[in-house]
Amino acid sequence: DVKVTQSSRYLVKRTGEKVFLECVQDMDHENMFWYRQDPGLGLRLIYFSYDVKMKEKGDIPEGYSVSREKKERFSLILESASTNQTSMYLCASLSGQVNEKLFFGSGTQLSVL
Amino acid sequence: KNQVEQSPQSLIILEGKNCTLQCNYTVSPFSNLRWYKQDTGRGPVSLTIMTFSENTKSNGRYTATLDADTKQSSLHITASQLSDSASYICVVRGTGGFKTIFGAGTRLFVKA
Repeated sequence: DVKVTQSSRYLVKRTGEKVFLECVQDMDHENMFWYRQDPGLGLRLIYFSYDVKMKEKGDIPEGYSVSREKKERFSLILESASTNQTSMYLCASLSGQVNEKLFFGSGTQLSVL
Repeated sequence: KNQVEQSPQSLIILEGKNCTLQCNYTVSPFSNLRWYKQDTGRGPVSLTIMTFSENTKSNGRYTATLDADTKQSSLHITASQLSDSASYICVVRGTGGFKTIFGAGTRLFVKA
């Protein structure tokens, strides 16, 4: 089965710090996504990438950037962390086939103090 | 506006009982609808997919239904087990690109 691995389960950072969240998938999927999940809200798309070095803004890209230098790795960057970025961050990958499902990582719970 | 609404927000049932979770959507044009299960501290995992032509689909004790005319789906869990305690998320995908709308989820608690 597809494995999507996020580098950290829990992170605690201070306001203003630069934060890197890493995600690696092992199924050669073209498409990768970063979501955040907050209580009472559905998953919200931050950024996605459909190919190496390609990226597209999702619904809430402000305050975030991404990097996809290799097909298997998709990084989310918080240039200057703020308290309102405290959240659960989920990475997902998807093949290009019709009706294929998203494969999610276990998530990173980020707390910004 | 494309939306996915789930109800109830949370649900507590006794082990062995049945329950039904609801999902209403306004996503158009419609491609498919998936139900995901998310255990605490884990990422969501797909349970089942419903396409436009499908009315019902089962996966073990989980049965999903879809009424494409009224834009409603349900997930029925039979003979619940403690391990069913999780969030259940309804996800609707539109046609073209990766337009995917997530519901806020129903938090299910199964008590012994």
